[in-house]
Amino acid sequence: AQSVTQLGSHVSVSEGALVLLRCNYSSSVPPYLFWYVQYPNQGLQLLLKYTSAATLVKGINGFEAEFKKSETSFHLTKPSAHMSDAAEYFCAVSQTGANNLFFGTGTRLTVIP
Amino acid sequence: IAGITQAPTSQILAAGRRMTLRCTQDMRHNAMYWYRQDLGLGLRLIHYSNTAGTTGKGEVPDGYSVSRANTDDFPLTLASAVPSQTSVYFCASSQSTGRSYEQYFGPGTRLTVT
Repeated sequence: AQSVTQLGSHVSVSEGALVLLRCNYSSSVPPYLFWYVQYPNQGLQLLLKYTSAATLVKGINGFEAEFKKSETSFHLTKPSAHMSDAAEYFCAVSQTGANNLFFGTGTRLTVIP
Repeated sequence: IAGITQAPTSQILAAGRRMTLRCTQDMRHNAMYWYRQDLGLGLRLIHYSNTAGTTGKGEVPDGYSVSRANTDDFPLTLASAVPSQTSVYFCASSQSTGRSYEQYFGPGTRLTVT
């Protein structure tokens, strides 16, 4: 079975502060992991993905995530938040194929000026 | 480059009515998907198609049907809408069904069943 848990449905940070969005996964085989971002009234856009190569994955817009097998985590970080980062972020896990992509419930990021 | 288009953008539908949500992609992707997004539940897979001519059931398929007559189009039909089908519906596609392939999403259809 596979699943993801995103801790914190809402996260608020000040502009310029560190962004940390948490994702823990459950998978019976080595997982492939994804982070997507959804801006208001839009579809989801891929931020980055882990596919068993480097454990530190760099994505678009300055985001990165580190795969930690021992902690079953794939947390998303950005050193300095920008107002344009305000959006909803979804972690997803794929165990057996693209038609078995399971999404977390999402974390809404608010950036305070 | 349009990517994935969905129509309509939004719709208010009376319960019991039939409705087809349209989805077209121009990326020549083999696989396509329909999700519904509900507050606090994230995205849940309704149906998918690995290639033209084949379809499969996802996590929440009841009350929905799909067809895949060609590579580009993947319509989702609600035969007799119920209020619990009020949701935002996203169509997505991926180049292949391998698990490293990311999915690309359309802009969504907001459906309200009254």
